[in-house]
Amino acid sequence: NAGVTQTPKFRVLKTGQSMTLLCAQDMNHEYMYWYRQDPGMGLRLIHYSVGEGTTAKGEVPDGYNVSRLKKQNFLLGLESAAPSQTSVYFCASSYERGGHSYEQYFGPGTRLTVT
Amino acid sequence: GIQVEQSPPDLILQEGANSTLRCNFSDSVNNLQWFHQNPWGQLINLFYIPSGTKQNGRLSATTVATERYSLLYISSSQTTDSGVYFCAVLRSTSYGKLTFGQGTILTVHP
Repeated sequence: NAGVTQTPKFRVLKTGQSMTLLCAQDMNHEYMYWYRQDPGMGLRLIHYSVGEGTTAKGEVPDGYNVSRLKKQNFLLGLESAAPSQTSVYFCASSYERGGHSYEQYFGPGTRLTVT
Repeated sequence: GIQVEQSPPDLILQEGANSTLRCNFSDSVNNLQWFHQNPWGQLINLFYIPSGTKQNGRLSATTVATERYSLLYISSSQTTDSGVYFCAVLRSTSYGKLTFGQGTILTVHP
C-alpha cells in the first residue's frame, strides 16, 4: 500500500496563476482532508470531504476550492494564487464507522511558493 | 473552538536522556493523535490514543480524557528523535477535523 500520496511535491507559482494539487489514497478511506502548515505553526484545516461527491469548508477555506469525484482522490485548487498561500499543504484520510472518524494518515506534503 | 496547548514549546536534550511532553485540551474529545514531524517535514503517526496508555518501543503515551490532557514519554532519546511533536484532537461532533497544538520542538544532541 502506498498510503496517502500527493502530487506535486514542490511548486512555484506567480501571483494570479492557478494550479491543482492532487491527493490519492489506497486505503478505501471515506474521509479526506486538506490542511496547510505555515512556519512555526500546527496544521489548519482548509476543506474536507466525508464521502465521494461531498465537500465542506474547514477553518481557512478562502481562496481554495476542492472536488471529490472519486473516493480515492481529493483535489485542491487555487484559482488565483496569492503570496499568502505560500505554505506546505498536507492531505490526510481516515476511515469512519457509524459517523465516527478514526485515525488520520497524512501524505508527504506539497511545498508551494507564490511569488 | 477547542483549544490545544502543548508544553514545553522547546526542549533540548543530550542523547540518552528521558523526556515528557504534555498536551492539554479545553473540551471533551473523541480522538487524540501524537505525530512526529521529522526535519524533512514528514508527519509520522506515533499514537492514536483517545484514552488509556500505549507503548511503542522507547515511546509511550497516556491520555486522561476526563482531565483533558495527554502525555508523550520519550526514553533513551536518540538524535533521530529530533523534530517537532504535535498533539491533535478531534471533538465528537467535528467529522474528523483535527485541531493541532503548536508543537514541541525537540533537539537531541549527540
